[in-house]
Amino acid sequence: DGGITQSPKYLFRKEGQNVTLSCEQNLNHDAMYWYRQDPGQGLRLIYYSQIVNDFQKGDIAEGYSVSREKKESFPLTVTSAQKNPTAFYLCASSTGTGGTGNTIYFGEGSWLTVV
Amino acid sequence: QKEVEQNSGPLSVPEGAIASLNCTYSDRVSQSFFWYRQYSGKSPELIMSIYSNGDKEDGRFTAQLNKASQYVSLLIRDSQPSDSATYLCAVNRLTGNQFYFGTGTSLTVIP
Repeated sequence: DGGITQSPKYLFRKEGQNVTLSCEQNLNHDAMYWYRQDPGQGLRLIYYSQIVNDFQKGDIAEGYSVSREKKESFPLTVTSAQKNPTAFYLCASSTGTGGTGNTIYFGEGSWLTVV
Repeated sequence: QKEVEQNSGPLSVPEGAIASLNCTYSDRVSQSFFWYRQYSGKSPELIMSIYSNGDKEDGRFTAQLNKASQYVSLLIRDSQPSDSATYLCAVNRLTGNQFYFGTGTSLTVIP
């Protein structure tokens, strides 16, 4: 099935530890995104990438890092510098062509909890 | 000023009624408009997209766009308890690949 796969679905992080969230898509989309959602809040953009080997910071990039070595993959690392990482993380992708028809789709999300 | 604004609600309607959700956006060059439904603890799923002024209907859902007023709305007819969720409005500009989301409106349909 075509779609966006995020793993793991649930992840626990100890203080001072880096963790990586995986995101893979087989939709042949050029653009990929990472959003953070806190309980009862909207979506906040962490990073986005329009093409392979290129990415841009979103509104809340501090404490996070990404890579885009392959078109299908856009992993997010939550570093120890992110002091309040407990949240729901959403990976998304779009065709990236701009204009009408450019729709964004989401993976199922990953829950990260600091223990 | 936020890119996209929605009333956070909560909005409560009785089963079978029409639910009306509203959204305004700030950038006149916005080109594409979307409504997503998000159940608690789940990821957003696309309900409808709309690109031209006027109404677009899909089953019980109707999206309405007024670019002059920078306003987009979603009507849900014959509301069902299963429609209880948070509804996110999103916009995409003509250029660039960023999507801007509202904070969502919580809808509860009362049986």
